Amino acid sequence: AQSVTQPDIHITVSEGASLELRCNYSYGATPYLFWYVQSPGQGLQLLLKYFSGDTLVQGIKGFEAEFKRSQSSFNLRKPSVHWSDAAEYFCAVGAVTGGGADGLTFGKGTHLIIQP
Amino acid sequence: EPEVTQTPSHQVTQMGQEVILRCVPISNHLYFYWYRQILGQKVEFLVSFYNNEISEKSEIFDDQFSVERPDGSNFTLKIRSTKLEDSAMYFCASSEGFSGYTFGSGTRLTVV
Repeated sequence: AQSVTQPDIHITVSEGASLELRCNYSYGATPYLFWYVQSPGQGLQLLLKYFSGDTLVQGIKGFEAEFKRSQSSFNLRKPSVHWSDAAEYFCAVGAVTGGGADGLTFGKGTHLIIQP
Repeated sequence: EPEVTQTPSHQVTQMGQEVILRCVPISNHLYFYWYRQILGQKVEFLVSFYNNEISEKSEIFDDQFSVERPDGSNFTLKIRSTKLEDSAMYFCASSEGFSGYTFGSGTRLTVV
């Protein structure tokens, strides 16, 4: 069974500073990987996803993530954060073999706080 | 941008009552899902639905839960006899496989 670990429960970053949110996954084959963002009381918005190909994936709102198979990681980065980036960030993994029938497995999330 | 629509946005129900959560997936999508997020916790997979039947379900999806696609557009989650611990945000999602995996805004269910 797949699993996702987001080791940082909370991260505080100054506005304008760079950001990296960590995600490690456990899965026996090539996974599908996702990052979602959730503002308080809101739904899940897809930031980016990795299926195959280029291991550096560009997403919305200036985010990018890099898939590193050797480290089983899919870390999310942004060069300069804005106050509006304050939210909960979830990494998720899906099984390639399921063809879409399997559900996604989510990490516990990282709460991002932006300091002025 | 196509959306997954969920109704209602909030529902309060008494313990032991039946509740039906409704979702309208994206029209050309083939897979439909329900997820649950208890307050402050991670999002958990409940069930996936494809070709008018359940494809996968988690251990959370016990006999109290059922899903249905009663017509060509709606996808529902029924909880037969609600318990306090069923209080959570319930998300519907749909996809064409893993491409275009889209979540709705959720229904916040409160069981009192």
